[in-house]
Amino acid sequence: GNSVTQMEGPVTLSEEAFLTINCTYTATGYPSLFWYVQYPGEGLQLLLKATKADDKGSNKGFEATYRKETTSFHLEKGSVQVSDSAVYFCALTPYNQGGKLIFGQGTELSVKP
Amino acid sequence: DTGVSQDPRHKITKRGQNVTFRCDPISEHNRLYWYRQTLGQGPEFLTYFQNEAQLEKSRLLSDRFSAERPKGSFSTLEIQRTEQGDSAMYLCASSPSRGETYNEQFFGPGTRLTVL
Repeated sequence: GNSVTQMEGPVTLSEEAFLTINCTYTATGYPSLFWYVQYPGEGLQLLLKATKADDKGSNKGFEATYRKETTSFHLEKGSVQVSDSAVYFCALTPYNQGGKLIFGQGTELSVKP
Repeated sequence: DTGVSQDPRHKITKRGQNVTFRCDPISEHNRLYWYRQTLGQGPEFLTYFQNEAQLEKSRLLSDRFSAERPKGSFSTLEIQRTEQGDSAMYLCASSPSRGETYNEQFFGPGTRLTVL
């Protein structure tokens, strides 16, 4: 079946530290991959996406590369800010299944000044 | 464009009561999705519509749950005979079925259900 596994949180970093949140997936065919973010008190927002192997999604200084050989889509940011504190969800849409999202369990990030 | 809206934002009910939630998608989006999210977990897919047609229902959606999208615009999710295990955040999302953002889903703020 289709599934997404994320590293467990919470992750606590100091401002300007390097961030990696690991995400691996299981899927048949060629899924599209996403990172969504949920800031405190707000709804889910799309952060970035990649739709085919070796694509790199990027937004707001965050990046993730679709690695088919390792079935991974790790989220990275070179220098985090306090305002990046949120819960991050990795997700996939299976190929040709109407676009439904399969989410990981989420990783809470806390950035301290 | 005001985004996806959901009503109510919070609902507290007693076990055994019926509840109904409403979702208004972004106007030009013809796909609409419902998810359920419990504390500390990622959202779980429940069902989706393309226009007024309900094309898929998750096995999570028991017979007590029903969703409709009668005119291909807003959608309702009804839970009959609520149970304490139904307590969760119910999320609605919409997306276009073509174009550059065809596989991007835009989420509403959710309806938080508490069953006492």
